[in-house]
Formats: sequence, structure tokens, C-alpha cells
Amino acid sequence: DGGITQSPKYLFRKEGQNVTLSCEQNLNHDAMYWYRQDPGQGLRLIYYSQIVNDFQKGDIAEGYSVSREKKESFPLTVTSAQKNPTAFYLCASSINDRDSVTFFGQGTRLTVV
Amino acid sequence: KQEVTQIPAALSVPEGENLVLNCSFTDSAIYNLQWFRQDPGKGLTSLLLIQSSQREQTSGRLNASLDKSSGRSTLYIAASQPGDSATYLCAVSYTGNQFYFGTGTSLTVIP
Repeated sequence: DGGITQSPKYLFRKEGQNVTLSCEQNLNHDAMYWYRQDPGQGLRLIYYSQIVNDFQKGDIAEGYSVSREKKESFPLTVTSAQKNPTAFYLCASSINDRDSVTFFGQGTRLTVV
Repeated sequence: KQEVTQIPAALSVPEGENLVLNCSFTDSAIYNLQWFRQDPGKGLTSLLLIQSSQREQTSGRLNASLDKSSGRSTLYIAASQPGDSATYLCAVSYTGNQFYFGTGTSLTVIP
């Protein structure tokens, strides 16, 4: 089945540790995105990639890093510099970064204690 | 700052009723608008994508309209069913597919 796979579904980390969230897609999409969802707020864009080996900061990139070495993979690292990392993280992709439907993964819920 | 507002925040209707969800945005120079559905604890599913040159899109019982000049979009759901219960999110983009999201309308359809 084609789609976007995020792993793990739940993740617990101690404060001060870096953690990497996985996102893999087999839709052959060029564009990929990371959003963060907090209670009572709309989703906010962290990073996006229009094509392999390229990525751009979104509105809330501070404390996060990404890589796009393969077309199908767009991992997100939450660093210790991110002040409030506990959130629901959603990965998405689309055929291109212009006018195509956006597909989402099932999300990773990160809790930092 | 781009803001997207959705009204009402929550809505409860009996099965079979037609309903309208509202979305407004502060900057009317949008590129695309997309309506999504989100079930609790899950990812989002795209329902309809309206490009800036379009005024509406339809899929089955769903119809979304776009009025750029007034900064508004509506999602019309006909003959609602209990399976339609979910949170509906409106999202707008100004360049490409980078979206700004509203906080959603939580819909409950009562059998």
C-alpha cells in the first residue's frame, strides 16, 4: 500500500536529549513537510523539502534539524535547543510543492520528561 | 502573521442534516486552500483542494467554496452521517504547498 509511514507512534525522551523522528513515503513524491500540532493551536510548519538534497525552514524551525538524502525519507531531529518539544509531529508529502494534494502520515507523539 | 479562523469550534447535529463549516483568513492573496479531516490521534486526510483560480470543488457529499475577495471559504456537508464525526481543518497557502492551518471545527453527528 502506498503511503507515509511515521515511526515510532509514541516516543518518550528525557529533557536535554536529541531525538530523531522517522518519516518514509513510497508515493514517489518530490515534496515533503514536517508540521507540529499542539492542543488549541493549528498545525505549524517546521521544515519542508521541495526536492531531494534541498530543504527550507518553516515558521518554527528553531531547535529542529532535517535532512533529505533520499527522495523517500525526511527525518526530523528534535534537539535539546527546542524549548517545548512535547507535541504531536506530523509528516506530509505532495507530488510537488505547488498545487497538489497533501498526504499525511499518522503522526508521532513525542513526550519529553 | 497569517491567521486562519474556523467557526464554530464545535458542532453537534442529528444524522441527515446538511451543515456548513466556515473558514476565514486574514490575507486574501492565497495560493491554495485545502480542507482536511482529522480523526482523534490520527493524521490528516485531504478532502478538497481549491486552487486560487477556482471558486469551488466538489467530492461526493462535500462541496467547498472559495471567496478570495472576502477571505472566506465554506465546507458544505450534505446528508450528514455518524461516520462524518471528526475534526475538520481548513488550511491556506501563500506560496506553494506550505500551509497555515486553522484550529478546526469538531463535528459530532448524532445517530
